[in-house]
Amino acid sequence: AQSVAQPEDQVNVAEGNPLTVKCTYSVSGNPYLFWYVQYPNRGLQFLLKYITGDNLVKGSYGFEAEFNKSQTSFHLKKPSALVSDSALYFCAVRDMGKAYGGSQGNLIFGKGTKLSVKP
Amino acid sequence: EAQVTQNPRYLITVTGKKLTVTCSQNMNHEYMSWYRQDPGLGLRQIYYSMNVEVTDKGDVPEGYKVSRKEKRNFPLILESPSPNQTSLYFCASSFRGSTGELFFGEGSRLTVL
Repeated sequence: AQSVAQPEDQVNVAEGNPLTVKCTYSVSGNPYLFWYVQYPNRGLQFLLKYITGDNLVKGSYGFEAEFNKSQTSFHLKKPSALVSDSALYFCAVRDMGKAYGGSQGNLIFGKGTKLSVKP
Repeated sequence: EAQVTQNPRYLITVTGKKLTVTCSQNMNHEYMSWYRQDPGLGLRQIYYSMNVEVTDKGDVPEGYKVSRKEKRNFPLILESPSPNQTSLYFCASSFRGSTGELFFGEGSRLTVL
């Protein structure tokens, strides 16, 4: 069964320092991987995705993620954190077991990692 | 503006009193889905719909019903709410052929006493 794990409940970073939010996955076949962000009292927003191609994926707000097949990881990174990056971050993988005719499949979300950036 | 709209945003109700949380999207998306978010559990899918009149169970469908009579609307129905359905609910949508980018509503916080 497909699954995704976020090993850290919370990550604390000082403003200006690089940040990493970790995600590992377990899928059969090639993974479709995603990162979403949830700001307080808001819905989730799409940040970036990996489908195929370059292992380093760039997304919104200066975030990027590195796909590592051998380590089955898809860590979210940013070179210099901002206080406004403080939010809840979710990693997700497409559930290929529920794909329909090769098209849309549902997403399986991790439990989320709370990122706190202090001034 | 492209958006997914949920109502109500906040609701306090009592056990057994039927309620409906509405979800509407203006992007002509075929796919719609309901999730609940609980601390320490992340997002869990309740029901989803691939298109009009096509719905299927997600991971936690017990106690919920849905309908998809129109493409833009996907209401979540709690026929007899119980306290364990106290949660934050999100509706999401996307194009059927997309590679997974979901558009989420702002959420509906439900408390069942």
